[in-house]
Amino acid sequence: QVQLQESGPGLVKPSETLSLTCAVSGYSVNRGYYWGWIRQSPAKGLEWIGSIYWTGSAYSNPSLTGRVTMSVDTSKNQFSLKLTSVTAADSAVYYCARLGGVLIGPDFWGLGTLVSVSS
Amino acid sequence: DVVVTQSPVSLPVTLGQPASISCRSSQGLVHSDGNTYLSWFQQRPGQSPRRLISQVSNRDSGVPDRFSGSGSGTDFTLKISRVEAEDVGIYYCMQGTHWPITFGQGTRLEIK
Repeated sequence: QVQLQESGPGLVKPSETLSLTCAVSGYSVNRGYYWGWIRQSPAKGLEWIGSIYWTGSAYSNPSLTGRVTMSVDTSKNQFSLKLTSVTAADSAVYYCARLGGVLIGPDFWGLGTLVSVSS
Repeated sequence: DVVVTQSPVSLPVTLGQPASISCRSSQGLVHSDGNTYLSWFQQRPGQSPRRLISQVSNRDSGVPDRFSGSGSGTDFTLKISRVEAEDVGIYYCMQGTHWPITFGQGTRLEIK
């Protein structure tokens, strides 16, 4: 069974960088499939952040372009998200997911991690 | 971005009765490859979303057959033939045809 677990700070200061890692078990990240990040907030609902293939090919939401960096570490079977210059609007529950077909959405999700942006 | 609008926002249903959720997109969802990328997700209280249906009507493995999806173009529907207590939660549609992928705002299903 594929399992994903997000980790990272729960509190980030405004203008700083949000960094999250998603540890994958039960499946190798380099066996195919895209891996993605989605966030959920009361204000915006579910919002697609971006997706990345194990080769490093990545696509991010144009609304976040310039602030998003994603990477894959096949040796640790995990992938990561960095979001720079955060504001309160970036406060959300962040989910990592396996994209069983990018266009049809995630087939496996992490439990989610709450990130608050506040000084 | 493609705007995806769900209705109703809240859906009270009696156990054993059918339920229907509508999803409308601001642009047609037929992809250049000929497929229509409209998926439905269920989010139970305190849980992560779970995909129920992809490409309009393809149920995911393990999804009860009381869930069905239909539609075309810009209008889509998720139907539950007989609502059970475990169906309580928020339902989202998602379009994957146009980048960026976008979700509807959700429909909260509750038991009357």
